[in-house]
Parts: sequence; C-alpha cells; structure tokens
Amino acid sequence: AQKVTQAQTEISVVEKEDVTLDCVYETRDTTYYLFWYKQPPSGELVFLIRRNSFDEQNEISGRYSWNFQKSTSSFNFTITASQVVDSAVYFCALSEGGRRGGSEKLVFGKGTKLTVNP
Amino acid sequence: DAGVIQSPRHEVTEMGQEVTLRCKPISGHDYLFWYRQTMMRGLELLIYFNNNVPIDDSGMPEDRFSAKMPNASFSTLKIQPSEPRDSAVYFCASSFSPTGEQFFGPGTRLTVL
Repeated sequence: AQKVTQAQTEISVVEKEDVTLDCVYETRDTTYYLFWYKQPPSGELVFLIRRNSFDEQNEISGRYSWNFQKSTSSFNFTITASQVVDSAVYFCALSEGGRRGGSEKLVFGKGTKLTVNP
Repeated sequence: DAGVIQSPRHEVTEMGQEVTLRCKPISGHDYLFWYRQTMMRGLELLIYFNNNVPIDDSGMPEDRFSAKMPNASFSTLKIQPSEPRDSAVYFCASSFSPTGEQFFGPGTRLTVL
C-alpha cells in the first residue's frame, strides 16, 4: 500500500528565510501522482501542485519550488524568502495509478506545521 | 463556480444522536470524496463516489457511518449513533478524476459530547 512520510512535524523560521519541507513516499506502482496541499489556520485545504511519476522536472511557481527525485522517492517543497502568510500546515499526498492493483485513493502524510515569525 | 459547499460548518451534538453532514460538489466533477481529519490520525479518506456510485468505502470506520449520493449535486455522510470519538473535521472534496486535483470544501467541525 502507498505511504507518505513527512518527517518534520513542525518547523519554525524567521521571515525571509528559505525553508524546505520534506516528503518521502512509498509505492509499488510505476504510475503515480504526487501532490502538495496547504492548510492555513482558517482550516481550508488549498491545492498547490500535482506531479505525475513520469515528469521529474522541477517546478517553480513564484517563491515556491518543488524537487521531485524518483531515485530517493522524494518530493520536497521549498519556500524561498518565507513570509508570515506562509504559516500553515503543509501536506504531501500520493495517489497511485491503479494499474498494478494500486489504489487511486489519495493518501496524505501527517503534515508539517510551518510557522514563519516576523 | 462557488466551489464545494458543505453544511453545516459546525455541529455540536450529544452522544447517541444522529448526525448528517451535507456536501454539494463542483458542477461537472464526477468524483466526490469524504475525508475525516483528526489530530491523532491526520487526514483519512472515508469513501469516494464516481458518478454517484460508491467506489471505495474501505475507510468508513464502522457500520455507524453511511454515505449516499442520490444525485450528481448532493451527498450526505451520516453517523448514527454518534460517539465522542467521532469528533473531527469532515471534509468533502470533488474532482474530475480520482488522481487529479481535488477541490476541498471548508469542512464541517463535528463535536460529539
């Protein structure tokens, strides 16, 4: 069964620091999809990115960037020049393609709580 | 579009009472998901539907939980009888595919006393 591990439970940084949130996944499927979601203090879940297993190109969106490495089964998320508004819980998630009996269900990691202090 | 709509936003009830949570997915989305979030267990998928048909309910904790989707624009999650350990935030989400981006509703915070 698929599994997502976010080893960092909480991270605290000072504004303008760069911060990387780690995500390690396990799957036996060759086709799978990786996601990051943000949950700010208000509680809603906000989609950030989706990556399929055949696209290892790194992605940059403003201050956000993602590093996907199949060799280490990792999909790490970096925030550059962090801001107070980045304070939230960030979840990494995995969905399998369902071709080798894998589940298409979205499985979430436990989340990393990021606090950005002014 | 208004996004995924959930009601009520907050529910406080007493142990043993029936609780019904409601969800309206985004129009055109064929998949609807129910999740539960607790501090201990994190975010867990309870059940998901495709075209109103339940596909996987293996995450439903026990027989006290049931979910229905009578049409493409409405789903319910019912707990009967409710217990204090059911206290959690319940999210509904919808998407075009099970492996695509899921759009989440604001959640229902359930407290069972």
